[in-house]
Amino acid sequence: GAGVSQSPRYKVAKRGQDVALRCDPISGHVSLFWYQQALGQGPEFLTYFQNEAQLDKSGLPSDRFFAERPEGSVSTLKIQRTQQEDSAVYLCASSLTGGWTNEKLFFGSGTQLSVL
Amino acid sequence: GNSVTQMEGPVTLSEEAFLTINCTYTATGYPSLFWYVQYPGEGLQLLLKATKADDKGSNKGFEATYRKETTSFHLEKGSVQVSDSAVYFCALSDRNTGGFKTIFGAGTRLFVKA
Repeated sequence: GAGVSQSPRYKVAKRGQDVALRCDPISGHVSLFWYQQALGQGPEFLTYFQNEAQLDKSGLPSDRFFAERPEGSVSTLKIQRTQQEDSAVYLCASSLTGGWTNEKLFFGSGTQLSVL
Repeated sequence: GNSVTQMEGPVTLSEEAFLTINCTYTATGYPSLFWYVQYPGEGLQLLLKATKADDKGSNKGFEATYRKETTSFHLEKGSVQVSDSAVYFCALSDRNTGGFKTIFGAGTRLFVKA
């Protein structure tokens, strides 16, 4: 596809359940980012990959959050033992190289996670 | 650490009114600055950017100038349209741990009335 694709679009989980969110970046994009966006707030950085290497995971809120990008393309964000405070929209973005601060990010439409 | 602060919304304007959304930043290096826009039901998309001091980014009638002396990047448009109703995010990008990290403000919602 032409853009960043995320699935599922909506996810409802019971508290304590594990969830996996998928991101398909634009083909050939080296860098991939995950953001968390709470209602009425801006996106908060979670983690960043350059190819398959996770260069920065400083924004992951706890060890229940785990992200991977094993082949340098598709990425999965996994949340274990979900809590109500994990409810948010999870955004994935990619950029062409990641080597330049003036590169723009291309965003997916996000996965809206609701934990009951 | 780096941060972005933008004016709280919502901002409500009549069509053809002048728009200003204030944005200030804190950064340790020499960041690039961006405005992203999120239209209802859509993902974030880049509106404009500026990469160094005194640069002016512009797109679709919107402008913003990178002011290093006041650490600001205010968004302006001379005559807004109903179709400009959206949430606007100011952001900065700076080098970090071998790559770069983009940090966003909280967003400002704009409503334009016909």
